Amino acid sequence: RKEVEQDPGPFNVPEGATVAFNCTYSNSASQSFFWYRQDCRKEPKLLMSVYSSGNEDGRFTAQLNRASQYISLLIRDSKLSDSATYLCVVNKDSSYKLIFGSGTRLLVRP
Amino acid sequence: DVKVTQSSRYLVKRTGEKVFLECVQDMDHENMFWYRQDPGLGLRLIYFSYDVKMKEKGDIPEGYSVSREKKERFSLILESASTNQTSMYLCASTPLAGSETQYFGPGTRLLVL
Repeated sequence: RKEVEQDPGPFNVPEGATVAFNCTYSNSASQSFFWYRQDCRKEPKLLMSVYSSGNEDGRFTAQLNRASQYISLLIRDSKLSDSATYLCVVNKDSSYKLIFGSGTRLLVRP
Repeated sequence: DVKVTQSSRYLVKRTGEKVFLECVQDMDHENMFWYRQDPGLGLRLIYFSYDVKMKEKGDIPEGYSVSREKKERFSLILESASTNQTSMYLCASTPLAGSETQYFGPGTRLLVL
């Protein structure tokens, strides 16, 4: 079993749609959680951290469920520019080493 | 803005060659990392370094070595390149404790023939 699992997609949605991705992690000792965004042939960049209480950044909302060991990312009012691969990232054993999921691909169409 | 640069965007090498991938960061970060990224596998940690001349193995160190002689520079070395080392190589850095946000370089796409 992978340490961080994501649905690879692609999720193909029209502009303006709401889309949600989930991610599960296996290490209950993990303390830090993130969503990174990676555009085609580019490096990953931090989208947002995920906090226990849930957090929002504009159209993006991240949630953490420690009991079930999953994280989610909700994107509202999708834009064409949201098309990318979204990487779920979890720290390893509460260290600063990160474990990356293989990503969920999002395609937003006009 | 943090800037992480990598010496090459694309590289083609032959089996058995020794390959050097260089990474430089300009933000005085203590921690530096080398990953490889392959389709369906995500990013996998090869080696990391938390200080000059210090290094630790990641999850897939076999066939690789690293060097960190200066704080800003972290080199990945393929002692004898093999075709299964064809991949995208990404370098990242992060400041000491308290921040796990990793800043990535643009990546080096290596093809081993």
